[in-house]
Amino acid sequence: AQTVTQSQPEMSVQEAETVTLSCTYDTSESDYYLFWYKQPPSRQMILVIRQEAYKQQNATENRFSVNFQKAAKSFSLKISDSQLGDAAMYFCAYLANTNAGKSTFGDGTTLTVKP
Amino acid sequence: DAGITQSPRHKVTETGTPVTLRCHQTENHRYMYWYRQDPGHGLRLIHYSYGVKDTDKGEVSDGYSVSRSKTEDFLLTLESATSSQTSVYFCAISEYGGGGAIGEQFFGPGTRLTVL
Repeated sequence: AQTVTQSQPEMSVQEAETVTLSCTYDTSESDYYLFWYKQPPSRQMILVIRQEAYKQQNATENRFSVNFQKAAKSFSLKISDSQLGDAAMYFCAYLANTNAGKSTFGDGTTLTVKP
Repeated sequence: DAGITQSPRHKVTETGTPVTLRCHQTENHRYMYWYRQDPGHGLRLIHYSYGVKDTDKGEVSDGYSVSRSKTEDFLLTLESATSSQTSVYFCAISEYGGGGAIGEQFFGPGTRLTVL
């Protein structure tokens, strides 16, 4: 079974600075997708960024980017120019291409942004 | 935002009573999922559906059943609620389950269930 590990239960960052959230996963599949979801205090889960495993280029979405290391099975999220609205819990998720959409989620990292 | 609603949004019930949570979507997505979220455990899959009347178990399915009689509705039932089922429940939908297309999930707003 696939597992997703987020080793940092809590992180904090100063407003306007950069922070990196870590995620590692374990799989024997070669074709899969990885996601970062954001859950603010409102509880609504929001997709932040996604990465296809077959793509070597790291995905970017405005201030959010990933460092995808397929051989190391690592998928970290970098948030640049952190804003107060980035404060939330962040979940890393894995989806095998043949898994009927059953994502495996990490336990989350709570990000605090200090003004 | 994807059109997903959950009802009720909050519920308090007593041990041993039956509870049904409803997920309704307006996106016509094939796949629907029920998760529970507990502190320290992230999201855990309870059951999922890959079509009308097609459902399967997730990793924490004991004590739960589901039904999907229409594309837009996915019901989660606790036949006899227990205190260990106190949690926040999320419904999610996905257009694809993989197979060459990205199957990111879109989530409903969640239901907070408390079993006394």
